[in-house]
Amino acid sequence: NAGVMQNPRHLVRRRGQEARLRCSPMKGHSHVYWYRQLPEEGLKFMVYLQKENIIDESGMPKERFSAEFPKEGPSILRIQQVVRGDSAAYFCASSPNGQGINGYTFGSGTRLTVV
Amino acid sequence: RKEVEQDPGPFNVPEGATVAFNCTYSNSASQSFFWYRQDCRKEPKLLMSVYSSGNEDGRFTAQLNRASQYISLLIRDSKLSDSATYLCVVNMAGSARQLTFGSGTQLTVLP
Repeated sequence: NAGVMQNPRHLVRRRGQEARLRCSPMKGHSHVYWYRQLPEEGLKFMVYLQKENIIDESGMPKERFSAEFPKEGPSILRIQQVVRGDSAAYFCASSPNGQGINGYTFGSGTRLTVV
Repeated sequence: RKEVEQDPGPFNVPEGATVAFNCTYSNSASQSFFWYRQDCRKEPKLLMSVYSSGNEDGRFTAQLNRASQYISLLIRDSKLSDSATYLCVVNMAGSARQLTFGSGTQLTVLP
């Protein structure tokens, strides 16, 4: 009964490259949330997706960032033309419904380093 | 004003001490409240939910005061393994994102 799976655990990219972060929710969960944690800061909401739909992307930077959760396969957070300020831990969480009543279960995160 | 505000600490306490963390939230219509724990460079993990009547789980007690929009976490008889960052988390009413995190309070329990 696997939990939320994120890969890769660590990702190093040069400035200007693209970063792709993947998240497979817990079995039976169709709601996925992406959060970003900058060094020495708290978790900031980025985007909330259901299968094939973006429900709330109010936390996503306007440029270079996109997210998807296709009918089949993991959710993908894509960062184009990465800059040093994108270096952070990116956490994904999932829930079986959109209620959030029982909290979320997080994956282990992807630590992105831009050099 | 931040949606969820916590004292960042750090709190350095000796083993066996009792320590309390506080948190305030801005949206009076918020519905659900949680404390998460985050170890260094790890993912946040749910510690406990917080109910209006207050709730206890072993050495941990959480309290909610809706009138003051205030949440607390009390840790009794602290252990070295309690050292972590404690995150106050609120389900913001009317928000599809649902869970908003405070910046966390860092606790170090000293031998």
